Amino acid sequence: DTEVTQTPKHLVMGMTNKKSLKCEQHMGHRAMYWYKQKAKKPPELMFVYSYEKLSINESVPSRFSPECPNSSLLNLHLHALQPEDSALYLCASSQEFGDYEQYFGPGTRLTVT
Amino acid sequence: SQQGEEDPQALSIQEGENATMNCSYKTSINNLQWYRQNSGRGLVHLILIRSNEREKHSGRLRVTLDTSKKSSSLLITASRAADTASYFCATDAGFQKLVFGTGTRLLVSP
Repeated sequence: DTEVTQTPKHLVMGMTNKKSLKCEQHMGHRAMYWYKQKAKKPPELMFVYSYEKLSINESVPSRFSPECPNSSLLNLHLHALQPEDSALYLCASSQEFGDYEQYFGPGTRLTVT
Repeated sequence: SQQGEEDPQALSIQEGENATMNCSYKTSINNLQWYRQNSGRGLVHLILIRSNEREKHSGRLRVTLDTSKKSSSLLITASRAADTASYFCATDAGFQKLVFGTGTRLLVSP
């Protein structure tokens, strides 16, 4: 199984809502990532988890809160988002960080109203 | 910013033609990777080339790397309509993260 799954595919939320994005992989990968991608732009790294520990936080606002409950799951908790946070949120995993390709999920299209 | 730049930003060709896109980056790297993204979807890994490699092939794809010029190119031979997508280079500079280039949008017309 070389698939990374993400749910939901689409999410519309108000600025006062709390929601969560979910990412799952069963490839035994030990590094997992959250990226944010705006239209016609490259993906921008948000967080890196390595062996279930937060390794990198790219100065992401605290209204985004990542969580790695186990080696297969990665969540992104959303609270009090702004309209400018509307974007495609991509999850990825790799065997470890280093000389390994990243496998991406299909993304969650988030709209903040 | 460490972000790489790709050119052209957009490329429009006919089926059967070759497509070449270029990537330039700013720092020393461990490896450089190429990814494809179909409209609004996840990215698909194409090729990883290490800093001590100069050329790599995978099917119709050929990637070159010139570390002295801090540049790479991706050649797609005999393009098909299904190759229509955005193509991104991404560099691993050893800081536990990939930095993606600005991307090239490729349109292959039947």
